[in-house]
Amino acid sequence: GESVGLHLPTLSVQEGDNSIINCAYSNSASDYFIWYKQESGKGPQFIIDIRSNMDKRQGQRVTVLLNKTVKHLSLQIAATQPGDSAVYFCAEKGQGGSEKLVFGKGTKLTVNP
Amino acid sequence: EAGVTQSPTHLIKTRGQQATLRCSPISGHTSVYWYQQALGLGLQFLLWYDEGEERNRGNFPPRFSGRQFPNYSSELNVNALELEDSALYLCASSFRGRVQPQHFGDGTRLSIL
Repeated sequence: GESVGLHLPTLSVQEGDNSIINCAYSNSASDYFIWYKQESGKGPQFIIDIRSNMDKRQGQRVTVLLNKTVKHLSLQIAATQPGDSAVYFCAEKGQGGSEKLVFGKGTKLTVNP
Repeated sequence: EAGVTQSPTHLIKTRGQQATLRCSPISGHTSVYWYQQALGLGLQFLLWYDEGEERNRGNFPPRFSGRQFPNYSSELNVNALELEDSALYLCASSFRGRVQPQHFGDGTRLSIL
């Protein structure tokens, strides 16, 4: 069935380190991917997106890498800060006109001071 | 720019009752999406509205329904509430178009007693 999974349910890093959050997706026809950050008591916040015709995209302190060969997506956060502590979700959008996003269960990132 | 707003923040109902949740999209967005985030589960797509019409629905029973108004705001109605309907209901909006990120509100926490 549909699934966007995450390799690590939890990730703990030291402040200042780089973080890498991984995601495996199952639908090879998906052509658009998004990373969201969800803090406690809030809705998901858009971080960065990438289309399937790209393999890398950079934002402010974040980089998303897409490997379509192995259906893998990753989010890299540089110089992780305590404010980065949250649950991170990857989401995919398939082809065919459906606008729905398929989400994974999330990875909880904890940044230790 | 105001983000997606949802009301109420919390809603407590009993089994068999009906619940109405409301969402106002970001100004200029015509598409509204509803997702359910149950405890321990990822976000599950419920419904997509655009230009006043239901465009797609997820794998939920018919007692989950909604509508979109001419000002693009939306309502989600859940009839005959069941205990397992307890969840965070998230609304998102976007511009129409396939390669557009969805931006989320902070959700309505629905608790069924």
